Amino acid sequence: DAGVTQSPTHLIKTRGQQVTLRCSPKSGHDTVSWYQQALGQGPQFIFQYYEEEERQRGNFPDRFSGHQFPNYSSELNVNALLLGDSALYLCASSLELAGIYEQYFGPGTRLTVT
Amino acid sequence: ILNVEQSPQSLHVQEGDSTNFTCSFPSSNFYALHWYRWETAKSPEALFVMTLNGDEKKKGRISATLNTKEGYSYLYIKGSQPEDSATYLCAFSAGNMLTFGGGTRLMVKP
Repeated sequence: DAGVTQSPTHLIKTRGQQVTLRCSPKSGHDTVSWYQQALGQGPQFIFQYYEEEERQRGNFPDRFSGHQFPNYSSELNVNALLLGDSALYLCASSLELAGIYEQYFGPGTRLTVT
Repeated sequence: ILNVEQSPQSLHVQEGDSTNFTCSFPSSNFYALHWYRWETAKSPEALFVMTLNGDEKKKGRISATLNTKEGYSYLYIKGSQPEDSATYLCAFSAGNMLTFGGGTRLMVKP
């Protein structure tokens, strides 16, 4: 089992551009969550996808959007990039067990906006 | 807005020292408290998921306790080793979304 994988590992974009990050969940997991980790802070929840629908959303603007595919993989899209979007983006997959979602994380995609 | 706080922010200890960190979280609407260990350039690794007040969990030299009534959890490392150097994150969940603290960065000197 490859665990949670993310691509690309690193990405450099220019302000105003758009970016797409990808995530493949751990085998058997049906829920994917995305987090943003800015330097010196803990990860912040962006949104979560289940059954190809956005189930829950954190305090992020509409420039951040996502998608989940029938095979449970997911994409995070960010439009009109700002310098402040530079961060590590983590994807986590989970499966509910007795009401608890234990989340397994990928290694992240480091996005730099110049 | 949920507030999850971790202290200290960073910690330097000598190999063999025992150490502990604190995570404080809202005591209302509690669902679960997660601890993660995160080494540089790797994925955060789940250590414990704790759900019941008074829970104590152990994994090798690492253990954790939970007090949901007062809203805190302690993570203990006994006899720290250089390979324990990492950032330790706690996360509060009220359902299926995690709210993280800022982490405690542990550095163990040989």
